[in-house]
Amino acid sequence: AQKVTQAQTEISVVEKEDVTLDCVYETRDTTYYLFWYKQPPSGELVFLIRRNSFDEQNEISGRYSWNFQKSTSSFNFTITASQVVDSAVYFCALRLNYGQNFVFGPGTRLSVLP
Amino acid sequence: EPEVTQTPSHQVTQMGQEVILRCVPISNHLYFYWYRQILGQKVEFLVSFYNNEISEKSEIFDDQFSVERPDGSNFTLKIRSTKLEDSAMYFCASSEERDGMNTEAFFGQGTRLTVV
Repeated sequence: AQKVTQAQTEISVVEKEDVTLDCVYETRDTTYYLFWYKQPPSGELVFLIRRNSFDEQNEISGRYSWNFQKSTSSFNFTITASQVVDSAVYFCALRLNYGQNFVFGPGTRLSVLP
Repeated sequence: EPEVTQTPSHQVTQMGQEVILRCVPISNHLYFYWYRQILGQKVEFLVSFYNNEISEKSEIFDDQFSVERPDGSNFTLKIRSTKLEDSAMYFCASSEERDGMNTEAFFGQGTRLTVV
């Protein structure tokens, strides 16, 4: 069975601090996809990134960066120089190659204080 | 930018009543999904739909639930006889197929269902 763990339930940082959100996943499959979604206070789910299991290259997009490590089954998300608008719940998710179901982690609530 | 749209944004219904939640997926997408999120909890998979039929469903998706694509654009979720525990945010999502594979899902704004 597939499982996604986000051990940090809530994190609070002060604006301009860097913050890393952890994600650990479990699957026996060798081909899978990992995702991060953001849920701001307005409630919608916003897609941030997809990563294939066969591509361990880390990715940077502006203030966001992702560190994928198959050896530790982790797909961590770092926000550099956090801003108040980054305050949201962040979900890590897993999908298998052949499946359609996205398995979501429990989410990490990030509060960025001014 | 294309987006998934859901209506209504908020629905209040009495226990035992039927509700239909509506979604318009992104037009060139082939996979459609319903997820739900009970307040403050994780996002849970309900059902996926491809090629005009259900391709996967979870234990939550019992006989009280059904999905339909009544025309070329809408994708609906029906709950026949609502229970208090059906109160949740319901998200519709869609994804396209690229290179023969399913991709990331784009979610709608959600419908908050409140059963009283």
